[in-house]
Amino acid sequence: NAGVTQTPKFQVLKTGQSMTLQCAQDMNHEYMSWYRQDPGMGLRLIHYSVGAGITDQGEVPNGYNVSRSTTEDFPLRLLSAAPSQTSVYFCASGEGDTYEQYFGPGTRLTVT
Amino acid sequence: AQSVTQLGSHVSVSEGALVLLRCNYSSSVPPYLFWYVQYPNQGLQLLLKYTSAATLVKGINGFEAEFKKSETSFHLTKPSAHMSDAAEYFCAVSEERYSTLTFGKGTMLLVSP
Repeated sequence: NAGVTQTPKFQVLKTGQSMTLQCAQDMNHEYMSWYRQDPGMGLRLIHYSVGAGITDQGEVPNGYNVSRSTTEDFPLRLLSAAPSQTSVYFCASGEGDTYEQYFGPGTRLTVT
Repeated sequence: AQSVTQLGSHVSVSEGALVLLRCNYSSSVPPYLFWYVQYPNQGLQLLLKYTSAATLVKGINGFEAEFKKSETSFHLTKPSAHMSDAAEYFCAVSEERYSTLTFGKGTMLLVSP
């Protein structure tokens, strides 16, 4: 199993550009989520999904969009990038019976 | 609403010394509690979890944590630090099986020879 994979690993955007961060998992987990990590802030939840077709907002959803058309994939879309979205983004998936969440390796995004 | 406080953004220990990383939580219901470790430029790895079974939880790499309801604490300990333990550690809380995780701000563990 590859676990949770994220692409790209690094990305530089200009203000106003849009892009999609990809996340995929091969563990058949129902639960998937996106976090952003900023120095001294820990990880903050952006959006999450408890199954295909179901998404909800987390703590910091503004400027981000998600959809969940399959169990495996949970892409995160930046609609119009802003410097405040410079961060490291982590995708995670989990299965309710074990309470555990498994994290991807992260995408480091810089918006200039 | 759930929240997590990690006391100390940085903790320094000598190799072989006791490691103690503090975590206090706030939750309106019996919580599920987790410790994750993050090595430089990597994702988060689960160290251990408390899910209402035994209050003393053993994890990987010799770490353990004790759930103390009266103190709303879930401190992480290891009897003897190794250089390889140097990393950032995050405490997290969840209120339901499928609930979202709320993380503390993290504690960087520095280990000196």
